[in-house]
Amino acid sequence: GQQVQQSPASLVLQEGENAELQCNFSTSLNSMQWFYQRPGGSLVSLFYNPSGTKQSGRLTSTTVIKERRSSLHISSSQTTDSGTYLCAMERRNNNAPRFGAGTKLTVKP
Amino acid sequence: AQTIHQWPVAEIKAVGSPLSLGCTIKGKSSPNLYWYWQATGGTLQQLFYSITVGQVESVVQLNLSASRPKDDQFILSTEKLLLSHSGFYLCAWSPGLGGREQYFGPGTRLTVL
Repeated sequence: GQQVQQSPASLVLQEGENAELQCNFSTSLNSMQWFYQRPGGSLVSLFYNPSGTKQSGRLTSTTVIKERRSSLHISSSQTTDSGTYLCAMERRNNNAPRFGAGTKLTVKP
Repeated sequence: AQTIHQWPVAEIKAVGSPLSLGCTIKGKSSPNLYWYWQATGGTLQQLFYSITVGQVESVVQLNLSASRPKDDQFILSTEKLLLSHSGFYLCAWSPGLGGREQYFGPGTRLTVL
């Protein structure tokens, strides 16, 4: 079954609103990484966050292992935040990280 | 600083033709290397990983093969392309197996006609 589920699949915001993206996983977690995928396909690593909370500018990632979830919070969204956000989890004793299907974020001016 | 380079940037190939995609990592010795594939509109899937020269493990069967001829080089290839091979191919490296951050290359866009 689907081991990594991202929600929502798509999200439309007005500039200035906050966004909360979720990543839920069904197995024991060894690592969690969040990416922004550019329209051309290349990935920008946002956070490597296997547990706890990390912040970088307007972005905050929180991973709660026992609840099997990780979130990406974008505060005061900007039009340049538009794009696809991916989470990838790596299971214990497994060398094949699994990606979620992504959340497509659209921020309108 | 480590850099990861992929070639070519994009490729248009005919069904049945051979393919070779390359990936090179500079500035890091003995990295773990990975190939990923993403069909248009699809989810990224890991295809292969390698922890050392000459050793490659297959994760997903797509009628592709991978090799690691040098410590800093990872090659993805096939002798006969299928339409289903179209998509975006990403190479990545990490400093160690299991629970380590992955760093991705710029990718190769492959179109099979």
